[in-house]
This record gives sequence, structure tokens and C-alpha cells, in this order.
Amino acid sequence: GAGVSQSPSNKVTEKGKDVELRCDPISGHTALYWYRQSLGQGLEFLIYFQGNSAPDKSGLPSDRFSAERTGGSVSTLTIQRTQQEDSAVYLCASSPDRGDYEQYFGPGTRLTVT
Amino acid sequence: RKEVEQDPGPFNVPEGATVAFNCTYSNSASQSFFWYRQDCRKEPKLLMSVYSSGNEDGRFTAQLNRASQYISLLIRDSKLSDSATYLCVVNAAGNKLTFGGGTRVLVKP
Repeated sequence: GAGVSQSPSNKVTEKGKDVELRCDPISGHTALYWYRQSLGQGLEFLIYFQGNSAPDKSGLPSDRFSAERTGGSVSTLTIQRTQQEDSAVYLCASSPDRGDYEQYFGPGTRLTVT
Repeated sequence: RKEVEQDPGPFNVPEGATVAFNCTYSNSASQSFFWYRQDCRKEPKLLMSVYSSGNEDGRFTAQLNRASQYISLLIRDSKLSDSATYLCVVNAAGNKLTFGGGTRVLVKP
């Protein structure tokens, strides 16, 4: 079946512009996660959605970052007024339910802020 | 102290040899533990869950030591295809998984 998809696969933007990254989770998965991975670094948790519960936003690095999940499915991560330090691969993952189920990752969006 | 810490490596391993590495976690209330594998410029994929009694999957063996708060991964009879970054993942509270920085393994002929 279809896995997690993300778009765009690559995004180059100028400093100060806003960007939107999209994630389509596996159908039926109630949990959705966003992570950020800088070159050669580990995954940094950003935000977590679980069903209709309030999202866990504890990993968002600043108020320039926001995310929403519409209809319990597709999610968008928005970065406003991008900075060069925002350059990274943004990974989305989904899982059937709780955190101790396997997370299935999308291929990521590589964001480059010039 | 980071919540989940790993030796970044790289561990240079001759083909056919055994390699083992650990991951330490800081939260004693951690409940679930996993090893993920990430190939270069690819997304992470689950390698195996780590159970309290330890578990084996083919050439891979995972152990959990709650007293010392670490998990380990051992790879026997290393293959060239085992070259990757191995991510330690811990579920400490709620549903948020915390990833370690990864241990890079390079298997050489």
C-alpha cells in the first residue's frame, strides 16, 4: 500500500520568505509526527498529532514554526520568515496509534534557505 | 545531559566481524525502546523493538539494561549492506519518541 508521502521533495527559498511543507500519512494512521534533521545530526522532534487531541508542540523551535492537521489526515508544517538555520530535512512520520507502534517515515523535504 | 545519547562513531568493521554499541537514556521512566536504521540521505526505518528480556532477529541482537539505563545493539557476521546509521529511540512519556543522534557503522571488505 501507499506509504507516507511528503511534498515538495526539495525546496529552495530566500531568507525571510514563508514556506509550507506537506505530509500525507498512511491512511488510517491516527498519529502524525514532524521531525527536523540537520546534516549529520540526529532527528529533532518538532510536533505530534494524535487523533483529535491537542497537538504536542513542545519541540517547535520558535513561533515562526506552526503546523496543522486537517481532517485527521494531511498535515502542513509552515515556517514563516525563514532563516538560514532552518535549512534541514523535514521528516514526517505516522503510526497506527500510540508512540510504541512503529513509525513510518516519509522521504522528507530538503529545505535550503539562501 | 541529552535524553538519549549515542557514540556517533564511525565504527569501522571488517566484513564478517561482530560490532556492538550502546545507547544511554536519562529518563528512568522510559517504557519503550527501539533501534531504527537510516541509510545515507534516506528516511529512518524500524530495525527492531527492544524488549526487557532481550531479543534477537537474525544477525541482530538487542539488549536492555534498565539498571544502568542503556540499550545495546550487536550485529554478527557483518555484511557490507549493514553500513548505515543506527538510531536509538526511546519513548519516555506520552507518545513522543526521542531519537539519539545515531551511531554510524561502516562495514568494509
